Amino acid sequence: DAGVIQSPRHEVTEMGQEVTLRCKPISGHNSLFWYRQTMMRGLELLIYFNNNVPIDDSGMPEDRFSAKMPNASFSTLKIQPSEPRDSAVYFCASSLFGQSYEQYFGPGTRLTVT
Amino acid sequence: AQSVSQHNHHVILSEAASLELGCNYSYGGTVNLFWYVQYPGQHLQLLLKYFSGDPLVKGIKGFEAEFIKSKFSFNLRKPSVQWSDTAEYFCAVEFSGGYNKLIFGAGTRLAVHP
Repeated sequence: DAGVIQSPRHEVTEMGQEVTLRCKPISGHNSLFWYRQTMMRGLELLIYFNNNVPIDDSGMPEDRFSAKMPNASFSTLKIQPSEPRDSAVYFCASSLFGQSYEQYFGPGTRLTVT
Repeated sequence: AQSVSQHNHHVILSEAASLELGCNYSYGGTVNLFWYVQYPGQHLQLLLKYFSGDPLVKGIKGFEAEFIKSKFSFNLRKPSVQWSDTAEYFCAVEFSGGYNKLIFGAGTRLAVHP
């Protein structure tokens, strides 16, 4: 298996622009998680899905952030408009809820907003 | 509220020294416990996990952890560290009913000097 795939790996954008991060979970996994990692705040859970349905989005910082999971093999995290304080590494992780419990992390997207 | 505490934010050791990283969690119910490692510039990888059974769990690269239910603790240990163990270590807890949602500790940065 290729593992969790994220794209792009690096994104540099200007303040005010829309940013879309993409994630392909491990095939067969039914839970998907979006995290943000910064030096100041550490690893934060933004939102997670189970069977493509958002279960908890309480970690989404504000309305500028939105996430979708249109099918079992694809999810997006969108920031619109982006701000410099959104600069971070965004990780996607997936797991097979009900059979295994560990999360498998993707390589992350390093976002820089100037 | 559910929370995970890691006692040490930064640890500096010389090679061959012994390592113990503390992790405590709130809540007295059923939990699944994990330690993840993040090498510089990489994504999180699972070191070891505990679901049930023997409270002393062995993981990869010579790491082990002990679950002490009465103390709500899951400390990570390694008898002799190597320079290649330089990384950030995260304790994570899945509380019951969480769809594999993990609560992460703030992380401990370990630097091992040759």
